[in-house]
Amino acid sequence: SQTIHQWPATLVQPVGSPLSLECTVEGTSNPNLYWYRQAAGRGLQLLFYSVGIGQISSEVPQNLSASRPQDRQFILSSKKLLLSDSGFYLCAWSFLAGTGTYNEQFFGPGTRLTVL
Amino acid sequence: QKEVEQNSGPLSVPEGAIASLNCTYSDRGSQSFFWYRQYSGKSPELIMSIYSNGDKEDGRFTAQLNKASQYVSLLIRDSQPSDSATYLCAVINQAGTALIFGKGTTLSVSS
Repeated sequence: SQTIHQWPATLVQPVGSPLSLECTVEGTSNPNLYWYRQAAGRGLQLLFYSVGIGQISSEVPQNLSASRPQDRQFILSSKKLLLSDSGFYLCAWSFLAGTGTYNEQFFGPGTRLTVL
Repeated sequence: QKEVEQNSGPLSVPEGAIASLNCTYSDRGSQSFFWYRQYSGKSPELIMSIYSNGDKEDGRFTAQLNKASQYVSLLIRDSQPSDSATYLCAVINQAGTALIFGKGTTLSVSS
């Protein structure tokens, strides 16, 4: 069975500091990977998705970047955090299109980020 | 901008009753629809997916889809206090790359 991990679980960072959040998936190969953010009072918003190593697409312009150095590893980064970056960051995976159950996405436990 | 709309609630039902959660979407070309349950402070958990018009049942959950009306619903039979959570409706975008989420409906089941 597949498992998705995220760390850290919670993070408190000062404005202007860097950020690195990591997500790994076990039990599957070539997954699609996603980063979402859930801000207070707002819905889940897709930030980045990746269909393979080094292939990153960004959905919204922002202060964040993503990288996929390995097949089952997805990293979310920032060079300088803003107050507006606070939120609940969720990594998700899905089977590659055409395999498994198409389009179902499964979420990791999330990282709660507070920027002060 | 493609949208998914849900009543924010809270929807309050007594234990044992049927809870009915509704969702409308704006993109007529959408093909895949999902319901997620999110407990406070936790990540969303997929509970139902539906792709064709009609009903799909899984245990106490029934998802209903009407593409002509652009409407998706989730029925929870024999509601339990453990069903108290926020329920998120999600629709896949036309590129198949991202889920578009509603803001969720909070369900409260009282014992």
